[in-house]
Amino acid sequence: GAVVSQHPSRVICKSGTSVKIECRSLDFQATTMFWYRQFPKQSLMLMATSNEGSKATYEQGVEKDKFLINHASLTLSTLTVTSAHPEDSSFYICSAPFSAGGTTRNSPLHFGNGTRLTVT
Amino acid sequence: GESVGLHLPTLSVQEGDNSIINCAYSNSASDYFIWYKQESGKGPQFIIDIRSNMDKRQGQRVTVLLNKTVKHLSLQIAATQPGDSAVYFCADRLTGGGNKLTFGTGTQLKVEL
Repeated sequence: GAVVSQHPSRVICKSGTSVKIECRSLDFQATTMFWYRQFPKQSLMLMATSNEGSKATYEQGVEKDKFLINHASLTLSTLTVTSAHPEDSSFYICSAPFSAGGTTRNSPLHFGNGTRLTVT
Repeated sequence: GESVGLHLPTLSVQEGDNSIINCAYSNSASDYFIWYKQESGKGPQFIIDIRSNMDKRQGQRVTVLLNKTVKHLSLQIAATQPGDSAVYFCADRLTGGGNKLTFGTGTQLKVEL
């Protein structure tokens, strides 16, 4: 079953408004989560690394003030797209390293089912 | 910079045949590789992984081969089924990069009946 849950799965918002996306690890703790963005028929591009209890680490070219990340607990990271514009319309996917054995240092990332954001 | 890329954007195979999806990576400091399957409208699903100290790993109907000499990775799917139709991504991780993955461009696998 799914180990990473993402909500909402779809959201439509008006230009200029903000949208929050939640990513939860189910039944395991995730000190680190990763947020990716994917445009149609393209690959996943890493936006930022979400770190529990500290600031997120953003990839080059990603505006930290526009894509606010909060990782306040060991099971929840949120991504807020602020002052959204039509060009922010995309598929946002979060992930967390998971291993049935408990250690995540060399574990594969497991992904949520993504959030389709449409900005009108 | 680092890049992970795929040779073929689309691969069509007949049901029951074996599929081979290829991937090239450029950074010799990559030490861990993963294959993901992504169905339309969903997040990527983990298929199989391999560490750089191995050259082959098998799972259920899937095999990953790693050739570090030419920086090439492949995913073999045996007896391809309609449910295998999806986009397949390879991803790699740099040594010391934690769990951060870089994804390739993806291959669309189409299974014909």
